[in-house]
Amino acid sequence: SYVLTQPPSVSVAPGQTARITCGGNNIGSKSVHWYQQKPGQAPVLVVYDDSDRPSGIPERFSGSNSGNTATLTISRVEAGDEADYYCQVWDSSSDHPYWVFGGGTKLTVL
Amino acid sequence: EVQLVESGGGLVQPGGSLRLSCAASGFTFSSYEMNWVRQAPGKGLEWVSYISSSGSTIYYADSVKGRFTISRDNAKNSLYLQMNSLRAEDTAVYYCARFTDADYFDYWGQGTLVTVSS
Repeated sequence: SYVLTQPPSVSVAPGQTARITCGGNNIGSKSVHWYQQKPGQAPVLVVYDDSDRPSGIPERFSGSNSGNTATLTISRVEAGDEADYYCQVWDSSSDHPYWVFGGGTKLTVL
Repeated sequence: EVQLVESGGGLVQPGGSLRLSCAASGFTFSSYEMNWVRQAPGKGLEWVSYISSSGSTIYYADSVKGRFTISRDNAKNSLYLQMNSLRAEDTAVYYCARFTDADYFDYWGQGTLVTVSS
């Protein structure tokens, strides 16, 4: 089965740029989606199809995907961005479709 | 406004059964594929099951195949998950999530906690 690898944690000071990576075999050939989850809340979609933002998500959130790594970039980080972030892809390599999540990255705003 | 509200969680003994429900509103439920996704305490997200808009196509994660059954009632705008032969490792918050044809989950419910313990 397809595996997505994320760093367990990323720390950044307010106003700086946070980059959260998601590694997978030839992930650049897949569409990657990102979710933000704050404590006690449901996940919220923040980036879809590698780099598109749903309505209501600030332009500070952006994404890229190439080779074996996808990246979620959060510019001008705010205290309210502190959360867990998960990447997700659709995998068709097994006998039926699978929707795979990365292990999650805890973003800490210093 | 899209709303997904799960219910039916609780404490159940190993080997027991539970049926989760998800009430949908604010969109044309019968036009959308739906999923269940779970999250064990302190852990990450795990996809559990998928159902097409008509209910004719269904998929399960290997970890629940043969024990869980997903279904829907489009007349009642509701999604269900029948969970049998429950194990301690099934303990998690279960979310229902609306699915887009671009393979991502655009709306999630608030989740319902299932605890499997003696």
